[in-house]
Amino acid sequence: QITLKESGPTLVKPTQTLTLTCTFSGFSLNTSGVGVGWIRQPPGKALEWLALVYWDDDKRYSPSLKNRLTITKDTSKDRVVLTMTNMDPVDTATYYCAHRRSGGSYYVSWGQGILVTVSS
Amino acid sequence: DIVVTQSPESLAVSLGERAAITCKSSQSVLYSSDNKNYFAWYQQRPGQPPKLLIYWASTRESGVPDRFSGSGSETDFTLTISSLQAEDVAVYYCQQYYSTPHTFGQGTKLEIK
Repeated sequence: QITLKESGPTLVKPTQTLTLTCTFSGFSLNTSGVGVGWIRQPPGKALEWLALVYWDDDKRYSPSLKNRLTITKDTSKDRVVLTMTNMDPVDTATYYCAHRRSGGSYYVSWGQGILVTVSS
Repeated sequence: DIVVTQSPESLAVSLGERAAITCKSSQSVLYSSDNKNYFAWYQQRPGQPPKLLIYWASTRESGVPDRFSGSGSETDFTLTISSLQAEDVAVYYCQQYYSTPHTFGQGTKLEIK
């Protein structure tokens, strides 16, 4: 059974850096084709794709946020970390990590999400 | 970026009736080398993460009821629920994964009439 869980701060101040951790089980990021992505959802709004790291450490970012995002993987600990710099109130959202199954970048399994509020 | 435009924004259908949601991609998501459409559909119930329903435009994920079906190719796609059940009340999203960023549609809220 595949599980993912997001962790990190639920409240950050404007201009601060957000660091979120996705801890997963039931698959390995050493397996060819596998990846972990981050997607966010502002309250009452649509899903927004943020970033994806593949098993071979290839990384992809949303161009609109690329300068602010860093995604890294730690396969020894089954974790993926997303950092987002210079947080703003418009970044208030539920942040999800999700499992990319080998073959295509659709997301089969998702974490429950973590609501991050940006406020002074 | 590929823009995915989803319609309608909201939809009310009677129980047992058919519901259809459409998405239009700003460019083709059909990859010529494998003849696959890089397109997926998700269901999101209130307070829950999205759930994968359909991938490769028409392949149903394991465990998804067969009343859900996906169709379309290149730029135009449809999710059809053949006979609406009460548990199908949710917001539905489409997604292209042909190229990054892997953009989602704006969502369609499906309700019971």
